[in-house]
Amino acid sequence: QQQVKQSPQSLIVQKGGISIINCAYENTAFDYFPWYQQFPGKGPALLIAIRPDVSEKKEGRFTISFNKSAKQFSLHIMDSQPGDSATYFCAAQTGSARQLTFGSGTQLTVLP
Amino acid sequence: DARVTQTPRDKVTEMGQEVTMRCQPILGHNTVFWYRQTMMQGLELLAYFRNRAPLDDSGMPKDRFSAEMPDATLATLKIQPSEPRDSAVYFCASGSQGFGELFFGEGSRLTVL
Repeated sequence: QQQVKQSPQSLIVQKGGISIINCAYENTAFDYFPWYQQFPGKGPALLIAIRPDVSEKKEGRFTISFNKSAKQFSLHIMDSQPGDSATYFCAAQTGSARQLTFGSGTQLTVLP
Repeated sequence: DARVTQTPRDKVTEMGQEVTMRCQPILGHNTVFWYRQTMMQGLELLAYFRNRAPLDDSGMPKDRFSAEMPDATLATLKIQPSEPRDSAVYFCASGSQGFGELFFGEGSRLTVL
């Protein structure tokens, strides 16, 4: 059972554009939602994370929007740059457990 | 610069051989995870340790996979016997208890012929 559904599978954006990746979860016990960024040949690295008590968190060009009632959250990358080209994973965690459940990933390509 | 260290980075082996992957978590982290990444299945959790004790290995094929933490500085993932379907990138990650960042190693790419 896939507990975190991520879309789209791939995304191509022009430099300077906005990249949007969406995730939906089923388990209402999830209470920590991070996004990880992975470059080829590297391990995933934390990009930004949110707790469900806030609806939005912004760090530089990266913003998480969170809709608790809809059980959805999204990553917005403003002014996308070629260096942002990577695979992005949403994830979710419950307070009682430490392990992350990952979405299927989105391969983002930002064209110069 | 604290980092999770994994060895080997690349391993090519033949079906039926034993494979051991090693991980050195970041000093002071008390939770260690093994994930497997494939194109088809994405990132799958195989095993999870807290304070060296195994808490969850439900994602691991028990008949051929085993995970241990002999001490706080070493986690191992063993496959015996290996099969072609085990070909994947295996990641180790460590973190502190509670919410917060998981730090991933660079992975061990396994190819079983």
